[in-house]
Amino acid sequence: GAVVSQHPSWVICKSGTSVKIECRSLDFQATTMFWYRQFPKQSLMLMATSNEGSKATYEQGVEKDKFLINHASLTLSTLTVTSAHPEDSSFYICSARTGPSYEQYFGPGTRLTVT
Amino acid sequence: DQQVKQNSPSLSVQEGRISILNCDYTNSMFDYFLWYKKYPAEGPTFLISISSIKDKNEDGRFTVFLNKSAKHLSLHIVPSQPGDSAVYFCAASVAGTASKLTFGTGTRLQVTL
Repeated sequence: GAVVSQHPSWVICKSGTSVKIECRSLDFQATTMFWYRQFPKQSLMLMATSNEGSKATYEQGVEKDKFLINHASLTLSTLTVTSAHPEDSSFYICSARTGPSYEQYFGPGTRLTVT
Repeated sequence: DQQVKQNSPSLSVQEGRISILNCDYTNSMFDYFLWYKKYPAEGPTFLISISSIKDKNEDGRFTVFLNKSAKHLSLHIVPSQPGDSAVYFCAASVAGTASKLTFGTGTRLQVTL
């Protein structure tokens, strides 16, 4: 149980285009979903927290107009990187939490490369 | 400001021996700690956790120790197996923050034959 999927697993896009990444909880309802990014050999950095049906809460330094998050249902959250630039190239990982538990279940991640 | 630190970027241990991964934190408000295991190009997998009201939690080969006065926790793996080779992250959370996790920088464990 507690499986989280992400799609796509990798994507290459041209600078200036937008990319959408989907995060789904497959066998549970996720009250909260989180989006992280990880640069090579670095830690996972929380970008934003989203609850179903409400606006996402962004961490300090994360541009909410650039990284659009939509948590449309209890099983789906999307991250759209708008007007992507090469410095947005990174590994993006989502996680989901059900109920009040501290434990988060992570998706497999999406490798974004902006050329 | 790195609130959760893993000062050893890598660790090599022989199969069958004990692996000890360390983690230090600076925020005294953290009250729940988790360890995750991560393979390259995959998301982290939850291993074990501990609440600040405990000083030890055990699950099979994995034991986590918490020393609140020293703001230090450690993960013990015994006996270590080649399949344990991965990057291990410790993470911490503060009650009332919607379970936001603050991750350490990770320790790459290699278990050799």
